[in-house]
This record gives sequence, C-alpha cells and structure tokens, in this order.
Amino acid sequence: EVQLVESGGGLVKPGGSLRLSCAASGFTFSSYSMNWVRQAPGKGLEWVSSISSSSSYIYYADSVKGRFTISRDNAKNSLYLQMNSLRAEDTAVYYCATDYDSSGPGVYWGQGTLVTVSS
Amino acid sequence: SYELTQPSSVSVSPGQTARITCSGDVLAKKYARWFQQKPGQAPVLVIYKDSERPSGIPERFSGSSSGTTVTLTISGAQVEDEADYYCYSAADNNRVFGGGTKLTVL
Repeated sequence: EVQLVESGGGLVKPGGSLRLSCAASGFTFSSYSMNWVRQAPGKGLEWVSSISSSSSYIYYADSVKGRFTISRDNAKNSLYLQMNSLRAEDTAVYYCATDYDSSGPGVYWGQGTLVTVSS
Repeated sequence: SYELTQPSSVSVSPGQTARITCSGDVLAKKYARWFQQKPGQAPVLVIYKDSERPSGIPERFSGSSSGTTVTLTISGAQVEDEADYYCYSAADNNRVFGGGTKLTVL
C-alpha cells in the first residue's frame, strides 16, 4: 500500500524557517517525480514545487521561488521542503504527492501537515 | 504563467448530471486532470489526460475536452459526490490548479 506521511509543520514567526518532510513507502520512491501542493485555510489548491526522480529537474511556483527549496533522499525514501523567509500568506496545509507523467501531482497524496506563520 | 477558470459552484439534485467546466488557453495544447476534495481530506485524482479514469473511480465520472475548455461530467450524481473539484494542467515549467468548484448534490 502506498503511503505518504508529511511531518514538520507547526507555528513559526514571519521571517522564520521550517523544514517539511514526506516519508514514502509502498512504491519505488526513486522512480517517481514528487510534488508539494499547499492549501491555505478555506482556499483552493496551489502547486508549490516539483522534483524529478534523480533531482535533475526542479520547478517552483513564482510565489515561493527563492525562498523554498525542494529536495529528496532516495536512500531514505524521503522528500523535503525547506521553507525560509516565511510569510503569513504561506500559512497552509502542505501536501506531498506523487507525480504523474512528469507534469505534476497524480494519484497518491499524503494527508498534509499544517504550517502556520504568525507572530 | 497561465490561468484556469472554473465556476465557483454547481448544484444538482441526486440522480441528475453535473457538469463542471474549466477554461484556459493552455488546455488547447495540454491535458487536464480533475481532483475531487472532500472536507478535511486530501485530494483524489478522478480524471487524467482529459478523459481517462484512474482505477477505482466510478464510471459515472467522465471527462471531455473541446478547444480551450475541459468538462468534468458526473452522470447520475450521488450525495457522496458532493465535494470541491479542481482542474489542473501543466505547461513547460508551470503547473496550475483552477480555483475550484463546489458541487452541491441535494
């Protein structure tokens, strides 16, 4: 059974940093591109970042470019999102999701981790 | 970047056909996906490549495409289909979701 479990969310002050993790199991993690998608409270889905299976290709939404860094460790079956210079508008549930066809989120999603940016 | 536009809400009675549209220039050249999201849950992929249905998704869910508009159709909508629905597409380095449509079935 495919499982994606996010962790690392919490309350952080504006300007602070946080690192999210996504632990994957039940599939060959190293063969899949992966994604981070977020959802602000009461709002819609927003794609955040994607990384290819070997980390050769990395993409970011304009809203996080220069502040967030996606990475992965295939030996540990883990996906990460380093978030720096956090703003109130980054407050959201952050989901990791497997990729489909190297073009964004597909079938498998985690349950999400909540990041709250507030003073 | 580009945008995908969806109606904010659609309402149908149980057993009726629900249609949710998604418009955007990118859809003329790129495939769309549809995700269903119920309150407090992660999104679920219900349609990919405009009209393909993943394993386990009921046959009442179908998708179609015409020009710059894609449509999610739920034939014989059921109460459990009440949810938010998001279209999605990707072009080059850009990936974007539509704003979402709240489907009410009552």
